[in-house]
Amino acid sequence: EVQLLESGGGLVQPGGSLRLSCAASGFTFSDFAMSWVRQAPGKGLEWISGITGSGVNTYLTDSVKGRFTISRDNSKNTLFLLMNSLRAEDTAVYYCARGENAYNWNDVDYWGQGTLVAVSS
Amino acid sequence: DIQMTQSPSSLSASVGDRVTITCRASQSIKSYLNWHQQKPGKAPKLLISAASSLQSGVPSRFSGSGSGTDFSLTISSLQPEDFATYYCQQSYSTPVTFGQGTKLEIK
Repeated sequence: EVQLLESGGGLVQPGGSLRLSCAASGFTFSDFAMSWVRQAPGKGLEWISGITGSGVNTYLTDSVKGRFTISRDNSKNTLFLLMNSLRAEDTAVYYCARGENAYNWNDVDYWGQGTLVAVSS
Repeated sequence: DIQMTQSPSSLSASVGDRVTITCRASQSIKSYLNWHQQKPGKAPKLLISAASSLQSGVPSRFSGSGSGTDFSLTISSLQPEDFATYYCQQSYSTPVTFGQGTKLEIK
């Protein structure tokens, strides 16, 4: 059974940093691209980042580019999102999601349960 | 970025009704269109991929159709567990984009 378990969320002040983790199980982690998708309170889904199975190729949307970094440790079956210079508008539930294969992060087929990041003073 | 527009934004229906949600892309996305269901406080769940391919375990009352710019999700006979928010998502190009969601409520 595919399982994705996020952790690392919490309350942080504007300008602060957090590192989110997503522990994967039930599949060969390195065979799949991964994504981060966020959802602000009461709002829709916003895809923000993707990474290929090898970790060589990554993508960040303009809204987080220069502030967030996506990475993965295939030896530990874990996906990361390092978030710096956090802003109030980054407040959201952050989901990790599995892509269709090692190169395709666009087709999301499984989602984690999410972790809440709240940016406030 | 490709813009995805869903209609309606909300829909009130009764158990047993047939409902259709539409999704329009700002440019052709061929059949690179997925539908996700999200229940309150829960993670989304993939229902349909490639516009019309039902995921394993998803009831056959769900169906998807369309190609190019216009797509639809149909539930043939609403069940109590179907009341949720539905999102279309294009996978044609990066960045991935979602529709704004359609909240399906009980009448």
